[in-house]
Amino acid sequence: DGGITQSPKYLFRKEGQNVTLSCEQNLNHDAMYWYRQDPGQGLRLIYYSQIVNDFQKGDIAEGYSVSREKKESFPLTVTSAQKNPTAFYLCASSIERAGVNTEAFFGQGTRLTVV
Amino acid sequence: AQSVTQLGSHVSVSEGALVLLRCNYSSSVPPYLFWYVQYPNQGLQLLLKYTTGATLVKGINGFEAEFKKSETSFHLTKPSAHMSDAAEYFCAVRGSSASKIIFGSGTRLSIRP
Repeated sequence: DGGITQSPKYLFRKEGQNVTLSCEQNLNHDAMYWYRQDPGQGLRLIYYSQIVNDFQKGDIAEGYSVSREKKESFPLTVTSAQKNPTAFYLCASSIERAGVNTEAFFGQGTRLTVV
Repeated sequence: AQSVTQLGSHVSVSEGALVLLRCNYSSSVPPYLFWYVQYPNQGLQLLLKYTTGATLVKGINGFEAEFKKSETSFHLTKPSAHMSDAAEYFCAVRGSSASKIIFGSGTRLSIRP
């Protein structure tokens, strides 16, 4: 089945540690996104990538890093510089096709808790 | 720049009543618009999307949305609410096929028996 896989579903991290969230897609989509979701704040864009080896900062990139070495993979690292990392993280992907309204497909999310 | 405003963080309706969730957008170009639904602890699922030329868009689960350019609105409706419609709903916009997708803050829909 085609889709987006995020792992793990639940993740616990000690303060001061870096942690990497995995996102893999087999939809052959060009673009991939990372969003952070907090109660009452909707989805806020952390990073997005429209092509391999290229990515752009979103609205809340501070304390996060990404890589896009393969089309299928877009891992997100939450660094110790992120002051309040406890949140629900969503990965998404979409086709990039000029003149066509293509939606984003989402993974099931990773809930990160700092303990 | 594109932005989305969802009016009402929480909407409660009775089962069988009309559902109306409001979304207004701001875009410097003809926008691409979406409505998504999210159930607890899950990802987002597409309900419907606006494609230029059709102002009334039908989606899954009996939902539809009407694009009104003069009002910069894309409100989501369903004639008769069902208990299974209880979820969080997000309106989203992108300014072109190659731009990032911006989400609203979401509206939580509750259904009263």
